[in-house]
Amino acid sequence: DQQVKQNSPSLSVQEGRISILNCDYTNSMFDYFLWYKKYPAEGPTFLISISSIKDKNEDGRFTVFLNKSAKHLSLHIVPSQPGDSAVYFCAAVNYGGATNKLIFGTGTLLAVQP
Amino acid sequence: DGGITQSPKYLFRKEGQNVTLSCEQNLNHDAMYWYRQDPGQGLRLIYYSQIVNDFQKGDIAEGYSVSREKKESFPLTVTSAQKNPTAFYLCASTPIGGLSNQPQHFGDGTRLSIL
Repeated sequence: DQQVKQNSPSLSVQEGRISILNCDYTNSMFDYFLWYKKYPAEGPTFLISISSIKDKNEDGRFTVFLNKSAKHLSLHIVPSQPGDSAVYFCAAVNYGGATNKLIFGTGTLLAVQP
Repeated sequence: DGGITQSPKYLFRKEGQNVTLSCEQNLNHDAMYWYRQDPGQGLRLIYYSQIVNDFQKGDIAEGYSVSREKKESFPLTVTSAQKNPTAFYLCASTPIGGLSNQPQHFGDGTRLSIL
């Protein structure tokens, strides 16, 4: 059963516009969420995170919003740049166990068109 | 320059052979992880280790084995018991095992293919 879902496998956006990537989760015990960016043949790189006690976290062009009641989070990139083209993974952590075990979504391929 | 090194980048294996993927980190991180990525799927956890000489099974440990003899090294062996080993394998680490909001740092991965 997929606990973290990214229902859009791909997204295409014009340069300069906003990119919105969505993520849904089912486990209410998740208390920390992360976004990773991945280029082909490379490992994911950490982008931004949010704790469940917050509803927004911003870092430059990247903002993550968390709606706990809807079990939904989104990543906003504005303005989008061609270099942002990559696969974006949403991940969630449940600190109920003894490790920061990440549960990943299936990823969304973002293509930013010049 | 600190980071996680995975080698080799590409690996080919004949059916029935065991193969070991290397993961080395010089970040002085305590916890290390192995994930597998398949097309259209997220990363799935194979094994993880919080301290030297200790490791735990992840969600898909069958057909894999690991060791953690040194803090900086966490090799993964894909055994012949793994029925579908072709995948992209990623190693990761975090500064502190257990309760922590430190994001995991990833290596660049090893792509394993069966001949």
